[in-house]
Amino acid sequence: EIVLTQSPGTLSLSPGERATLSCRASQSVSSTYLAWYQQKPGLAPRLLIYGASSRATGIPDRFSGSGSGTDFTLTISRLEPEDFAVYYCQQFGGSPLFGQGTKLEIK
Amino acid sequence: EVQLVESGGGLVKPGGSLRLSCAASGFTFSNAWMSWVRQAPGKGLEWVGRIKSKTDGGTTDYAAPVKGRFTISRDDSKNTLYLEMNSLKTEDTAVYYCTWYKGGYFDSWGQGTLVTVSS
Repeated sequence: EIVLTQSPGTLSLSPGERATLSCRASQSVSSTYLAWYQQKPGLAPRLLIYGASSRATGIPDRFSGSGSGTDFTLTISRLEPEDFAVYYCQQFGGSPLFGQGTKLEIK
Repeated sequence: EVQLVESGGGLVKPGGSLRLSCAASGFTFSNAWMSWVRQAPGKGLEWVGRIKSKTDGGTTDYAAPVKGRFTISRDDSKNTLYLEMNSLKTEDTAVYYCTWYKGGYFDSWGQGTLVTVSS
């Protein structure tokens, strides 16, 4: 069974800085089936990235996804105040599976 | 605009049953694969199960922790998705989200409904 490990667990940055979030799979994952979600407190998750690098509808271009095989990255080029949230990666290699999440907090 | 609105959550005793509903609008529900995802309090996201469109067979798949206890169904005439939950356990306590499942990812989410299993 594939395991997704996100790092770091918590990332403390300031608005305007660049954020780099990692998602590592225990075995190779098809890029087609790698997605990223953002969740703010008390709200449902929102799809950000699918197919490892395609932005979902309405997602600002400061969000970008990259990677292949076992290593994937979500990058936020310049943090806005509304970007501080929890981020999850997800893969589908049989049954859908989420990583444990990275909390992006204001420094 | 896609809208998914869950209902039916509440407090239930261990061993009890509950049925959640999800009213969908803004897309062609009958063509959509749909899924339920849950989130225990303070925890991460967990896939619960999925139902294909009838044209794709209408079959269901479930995560191991709920297989045999939960049943997903759909009524395309009412644009509604259901989650029937039986033999509920305290560890089933979570917010349950209805999602539009597209090609391996969860494209749209409802606001969620809280299910609390406690004596």
